[in-house]
Parts: sequence; structure tokens; C-alpha cells
Amino acid sequence: DIQLTQSPSFLSASIGDRVTITCRASQGFSSYLAWYQQKPGKAPRLLIYAASTLQSGVPSRFSGSGSETEFTLTISSLQSEDFATYYCQQLNTYPLTFGGGTKVEIK
Amino acid sequence: EVQLVQSGAEVKKPGESLKISCQGSGYHFAAYWVGWVRQMPGKGLEWMGVIYPSDSDTRYSPSFQGQVTISADKSITTAYLQWSSLEASDTAMYYCARRSGFGSPFDIWGQGTMVTVSS
Repeated sequence: DIQLTQSPSFLSASIGDRVTITCRASQGFSSYLAWYQQKPGKAPRLLIYAASTLQSGVPSRFSGSGSETEFTLTISSLQSEDFATYYCQQLNTYPLTFGGGTKVEIK
Repeated sequence: EVQLVQSGAEVKKPGESLKISCQGSGYHFAAYWVGWVRQMPGKGLEWMGVIYPSDSDTRYSPSFQGQVTISADKSITTAYLQWSSLEASDTAMYYCARRSGFGSPFDIWGQGTMVTVSS
């Protein structure tokens, strides 16, 4: 199985901050990686796929980069609605594993 | 509107069986994979498995192989997740989601079904 390790697992930030979350893979798999946002009591929402492609309707302050074993999700200017938990998922090899999640909270 | 609508919350006793559902609408159901994801209380997302309704090709995570059964009925655009004998540790929120094929993400998610197993 491909293991995904997200860091940090918890992040405290202020409105307007630039935030970067990292997802590291135990083995390389090209760019078949997605990022999801989940708010309490809600289903996950797709933000980015193919490592850097923004899903339709997602604000442009979200961006993704990386390939093989290291990927990043960046929020260029954190907004109040961005406080949530973020997960990466590899889509290359079964099982389609998720990272452990990064909770972004208000400082 | 493309959507996946899941069945309602369930409360069961250990040892009981259960089948929850996920109905797709607004798209060609048989042509998209439907996956299942578990989220235990206060925990992260765990990928359980996926099915291609067109031919019922099914893939399981090793962690869930033999513990659950994933099925689909394309005639009624519905996918299922079932247990033959529930345990307390199956208490969780279960989400279904669709993907188009290799390398593609899960772009549409159901609202989730909460399963509570308690004696």
C-alpha cells in the first residue's frame, strides 16, 4: 500500500495568512493526487486533482503542486470559510489511500 | 443535478446484518465507479473499496476485504455496502462517492450514512 503522511496534522492560522500543507508518499506515483476539504458534519469536497488542477467552482486562492512523493496544498490568503480539515488521496494504486488529515483552525 | 443520495442513519446491535445504499442521479450511473469511505468518530477518512456498476468489477482495501460486501444494481442506479455481522467497531459515518476512472478523483459525494452499533 502507498502510505500518505500529511504535515502538519494541526495548524493554527489567522485570516489572510498563507498556509501550506504537505503530503508525502511512501513511494512515487506520478501526479494522481487529490486534495479534499471537510467541514464538521459535512461530506468531503474535492478541491484539487491531478496534483494541481483546480476543481470547478473552487476559489483560486487554493493551489496544488508536486509529483511522485511530495505534494503541497497552498491557500494563498486564508478566509473564514477555509477553516476545516484537509485530506490528500492518491489515485494511482489500489487501495486508494488517504492522508491522515490536517486540521486548520483559527489562531 | 448530479448527486448521490444515501440511505438514512441506522442503529443496530452487534451481530446484526445491515445493507446501506447510495443512489446516483443526473449522470450515467453505470459508467462511473462508486466508492465507499469510512470515517470513525473524530477520525480521518479511510478508503474501503469501489465498484464499477457496468460490470460489477469490485476492488477492496485489504483492511476491509472480507469484512464488508460492495454491490450495485445499475437498473436502479444504486450501490450498496453491507455487513453480515456488525461489530461495535463498525460505528462510523459511511460516505459513497463517484469517480470516472483510473487516476480520477472522487468528485461527487453522498451526504453520508451514520451507522451506530451498540448493545
